[in-house]
Amino acid sequence: QVQLQESGPGLVKPSQTLSLTCTVSGGSISSGSYYWSWIRQPAGKGLEWIGRIYTSGSTNYNPSLKSRVTISVDTSKNQFSLKLSSVTAADTAVYYCARVMAGEHWFDPWGQGTLVTVSS
Amino acid sequence: SYVLTQPPSVSVAPGKTARITCGGNNIGSKSVHWYQQKPGQAPVLVIYYDSDRPSGIPERFSGSNSGNTATLTISRVEAGDEADYYCQVWDSSSDDVVFGGGTKLTVL
Repeated sequence: QVQLQESGPGLVKPSQTLSLTCTVSGGSISSGSYYWSWIRQPAGKGLEWIGRIYTSGSTNYNPSLKSRVTISVDTSKNQFSLKLSSVTAADTAVYYCARVMAGEHWFDPWGQGTLVTVSS
Repeated sequence: SYVLTQPPSVSVAPGKTARITCGGNNIGSKSVHWYQQKPGQAPVLVIYYDSDRPSGIPERFSGSNSGNTATLTISRVEAGDEADYYCQVWDSSSDDVVFGGGTKLTVL
């Protein structure tokens, strides 16, 4: 079965760019009618959708983050990535990657999540 | 943008039925999905397409959606059901994904 695993720095300085990668195993990132997505969750708070990508490279982002977000895909490595620029302490959160069913957009499965702290 | 409203908390005794609501404007016209999140863990899909259960999710979990309210129902609640529950929709008009604020289910 498909599994996802996030990786990347756990600490990022303010004003810098947060970069995370999600590695997909147990299946091809290019197969099926799926998108691939990033979601985040600040400590003690709810879930916030960041954006999604299709293996064609087509993307869509949360309007509130759109100006700072880039999601890309590398099908040869079965990975997709997140870049969030000009980070502040408000971007401190657990970041999850997830597979998205095309159409009605439910998320399954999710990665285990990775905590990213923005601090100098 | 579309807004989903959930009660912050719901409490239920073991063996009883818990109902967690998710309110939204004409939410009955959208497909609603529900996630369970236990402390320190990633969310898990428990209901999709309003009322379908992924494999491995107990039949005790069910969902409904009509009018301005979607409901996740957990029958015969167990201590292990204690978790945060989130509803979610895709707003096709804006191509945007929206999550509810989450409901903490406490098993008394």
